Amino acid sequence: AQTVTQSQPEMSVQEAETVTLSCTYDTSESDYYLFWYKQPPSRQMILVIRQEAYKQQNATENRFSVNFQKAAKSFSLKISDSQLGDAAMYFCAYRTLGRTSYGKLTFGQGTILTVHP
Amino acid sequence: GAGVSQTPSNKVTEKGKYVELRCDPISGHTALYWYRQSLGQGPEFLIYFQGTGAADDSGLPNDRFFAVRPEGSVSTLKIQRTERGDSAVYLCASSSSNRGLRERWSYNEQFFGPGTRLTVL
Repeated sequence: AQTVTQSQPEMSVQEAETVTLSCTYDTSESDYYLFWYKQPPSRQMILVIRQEAYKQQNATENRFSVNFQKAAKSFSLKISDSQLGDAAMYFCAYRTLGRTSYGKLTFGQGTILTVHP
Repeated sequence: GAGVSQTPSNKVTEKGKYVELRCDPISGHTALYWYRQSLGQGPEFLIYFQGTGAADDSGLPNDRFFAVRPEGSVSTLKIQRTERGDSAVYLCASSSSNRGLRERWSYNEQFFGPGTRLTVL
């Protein structure tokens, strides 16, 4: 079974600064997806960024980028130019490519991000 | 327009009671997932529907939990004889069909609802 670990229960950053959230995972598979989701107080999960395991190039989405280290099974999220609206709980998630998984996601424990003005 | 909706938003019940939680997926989405998120934790998979059938119910914790999707759209998660440990946020997500994706790395994004917060007293 796959596991996802987020070792930072809480992080904080000043507005306009950069912050990095950490995630490690354990799997015996070679093909999979990794995601970062944002969960604001409204509870609705929002997809931030996705990474396919076969891609060596790190995914980027505007101010959000990842550092994907497949051999180390590490998948960190970097938020540049942090904004007050970035404050939320962030979850790292894993999804196997296998058809029998039906696309279900395995989540980490989450990191609460606070942004200070 | 909408996105995935869930009702009720909050549900308070007494230990031993029966509850039903409803999920309305995005129109046309045939894949539907239920997850449970305990306080301070990440969501955990409960059950997956493809159309009307539960293709994977391996995450249901015990036989007090049951889910249906009779017409392939709305789904109801049913919990019998509720226990205090059932208190959590129950999230629903939907996506386009996972079948027939031609490219190996194709996938359909899961869109989440706002969840139902269940409190068992």
